[in-house]
Amino acid sequence: AQSVTQLDSHVSVSEGTPVLLRCNYSSSYSPSLFWYVQHPNKGLQLLLKYTSAATLVKGINGFEAEFKKSETSFHLTKPSAHMSDAAEYFCVVRANFGNEKLTFGTGTRLTIIP
Amino acid sequence: EADIYQTPRYLVIGTGKKITLECSQTMGHDKMYWYQQDPGMELHLIHYSYGVNSTEKGDLSSESTVSRIRTEHFPLTLESARPSHTSQYLCASSKKGQGAGEQYFGPGTRLTVT
Repeated sequence: AQSVTQLDSHVSVSEGTPVLLRCNYSSSYSPSLFWYVQHPNKGLQLLLKYTSAATLVKGINGFEAEFKKSETSFHLTKPSAHMSDAAEYFCVVRANFGNEKLTFGTGTRLTIIP
Repeated sequence: EADIYQTPRYLVIGTGKKITLECSQTMGHDKMYWYQQDPGMELHLIHYSYGVNSTEKGDLSSESTVSRIRTEHFPLTLESARPSHTSQYLCASSKKGQGAGEQYFGPGTRLTVT
């Protein structure tokens, strides 16, 4: 079994300040982990993924995430927020054994304050 | 340009009507998925397909049905719509053998049943 917990349903930061979106996971097997972003009225777009290679993963638009097995975490960060980063962010886990189904977190809405 | 399309984007319909939500992808992907997403909630897998003539139920029970007669087309049908079917429906696809879990999403169909 696998699950994902996004610790904050809503995060607000000022433009130009760092972003931290928190995600904890549980998985019976070695997982693959992803962050997707959903802008209003748009489909989900893959930001980055971890698939058992480097634990620090760099994605698009300056985002990165670090896989910490000891803490079962996969937090998403960005050094400097931009207005265009305002969106809903989903942390996703997939077990690397068995079926290929994704388990989604409940999402974190990121608001950027001008 | 390779992409994944969903029509209609928005649909308001009365109880008891039959509806079909369309999903097409031009990427030649073997695998396709339907997710249901309620406001502020995570995505739940309701159907998936690994190729032509292959369809499976997902984790969330749904009264909808799907078909996969062509690789690029994965429509979802509700024989008799009810207010409880009001939700957003997202279609996704992925390539066989692709990096674990990298799915590409359409823009979604927001369904309202009155």
